Amino acid sequence: DTAVSQTPKYLVTQMGNDKSIKCEQNLGHDTMYWYKQDSKKFLKIMFSYNNKELIINETVPNRFSPKSPDKAHLNLHINSLELGDSAVYFCASSQEGRGEKLFFGSGTQLSVL
Amino acid sequence: AQKVTQAQTEISVVEKEDVTLDCVYETRDTTYYLFWYKQPPSGELVFLIRRNSFDEQNEISGRYSWNFQKSTSSFNFTITASQVVDSAVYFCALSEGNYGGSQGNLIFGKGTKLSVKP
Repeated sequence: DTAVSQTPKYLVTQMGNDKSIKCEQNLGHDTMYWYKQDSKKFLKIMFSYNNKELIINETVPNRFSPKSPDKAHLNLHINSLELGDSAVYFCASSQEGRGEKLFFGSGTQLSVL
Repeated sequence: AQKVTQAQTEISVVEKEDVTLDCVYETRDTTYYLFWYKQPPSGELVFLIRRNSFDEQNEISGRYSWNFQKSTSSFNFTITASQVVDSAVYFCALSEGNYGGSQGNLIFGKGTKLSVKP
């Protein structure tokens, strides 16, 4: 069983479209995250949810909206996609608490044409 | 401000060589956590190690070892007798200890791409 699974693995779409990436974890963790890895491999946090509540929202355009129906799921919706949104998006989860290690999903490569 | 610097962008070695990946961090917190993650060509992020700021003991795991020195704000990673399968991008990351605030917010370095040639 995959601990943190995200779908789809690849997403190719046109500018202006709306798309979603799904993430599920079966580790029983309380906190889930979305990270973005750009073309230069730089990883940066986008969102963090703890027990379905948003606790981090870094400077991310409001076209990006995380949705957490329950603590095992954290989906990422992106509206009006732009070329600059092309990146790899990683979902992750961790136990609640200080310095807990993050378990990452395998990533979703988003290409906006 | 929190910051992680991996000055080596790319390193290329021949199999069986030892290689050290450097990581320097900045933080104002007295409680913080340091991590190393590996990203092989397949793209997933693999956890390697976590260290808290109160534990300066060096750690060895097989061919991997980590040298944490608070005096120089460094957390370097050494691979002994490197193998082709070690080829990957390696990320150092910092997490500060503020509970309920930035917990889980890993500040990543820009990564070091290691190529091990046969």
